[in-house]
Amino acid sequence: NAGVMQNPRHLVRRRGQEARLRCSPMKGHSHVYWYRQLPEEGLKFMVYLQKENIIDESGMPKERFSAEFPKEGPSILRIQQVVRGDSAAYFCASSPWPMVAGGQGDTDTQYFGPGTRLTVL
Amino acid sequence: AQTVTQSQPEMSVQEAETVTLSCTYDTSESDYYLFWYKQPPSRQMILVIRQEAYKQQNATENRFSVNFQKAAKSFSLKISDSQLGDAAMYFCAYRSAIYFGNEKLTFGTGTRLTIIP
Repeated sequence: NAGVMQNPRHLVRRRGQEARLRCSPMKGHSHVYWYRQLPEEGLKFMVYLQKENIIDESGMPKERFSAEFPKEGPSILRIQQVVRGDSAAYFCASSPWPMVAGGQGDTDTQYFGPGTRLTVL
Repeated sequence: AQTVTQSQPEMSVQEAETVTLSCTYDTSESDYYLFWYKQPPSRQMILVIRQEAYKQQNATENRFSVNFQKAAKSFSLKISDSQLGDAAMYFCAYRSAIYFGNEKLTFGTGTRLTIIP
């Protein structure tokens, strides 16, 4: 049983470039969450998505950041025109929906991927 | 807004001994979930234990147990028979029990646990 998959694991970008981070949730999970962890800090919520819908983006910076979770394929976190302050570990988590059968794990628990470490030069 | 506080940035324990990590939180909600996640040097976030606020019984998972004090808004993690593999950052997290937009986790700042051989 595959867990949450994230790629790439490490991403290096120069200032001004675009970064695309991918997340494939666990089988049967229809909810995806993105979190950011700055060095020596805890995780901070960014955005919560269901298939084709953004449910909560209250933690997302207003500019340069966007996220999507299409009907088919992984969830994408996109950072345009990266700056040094974007250097961080970005974690994706997924959870099943209570009323949908087939999802692994507890519906109230988020299962995390290994993270993508973004370095901006 | 909910907040989670971990007042111990670092803790250390002798191998095979018991250690308790503290966590307090602030919320006006009556129903919610609390979690402890472990982040070893690999940086993978691993679920250690979860607690439903409506349950009075403290959750246990093998060597890990919690002391959940709802009135005091306290949620400490006890690790018994500490092992070298327990060395990691430990994060306490809160999640509302209300669905449809309130599912995000709020994390504390973490406690770095060192195991002394």
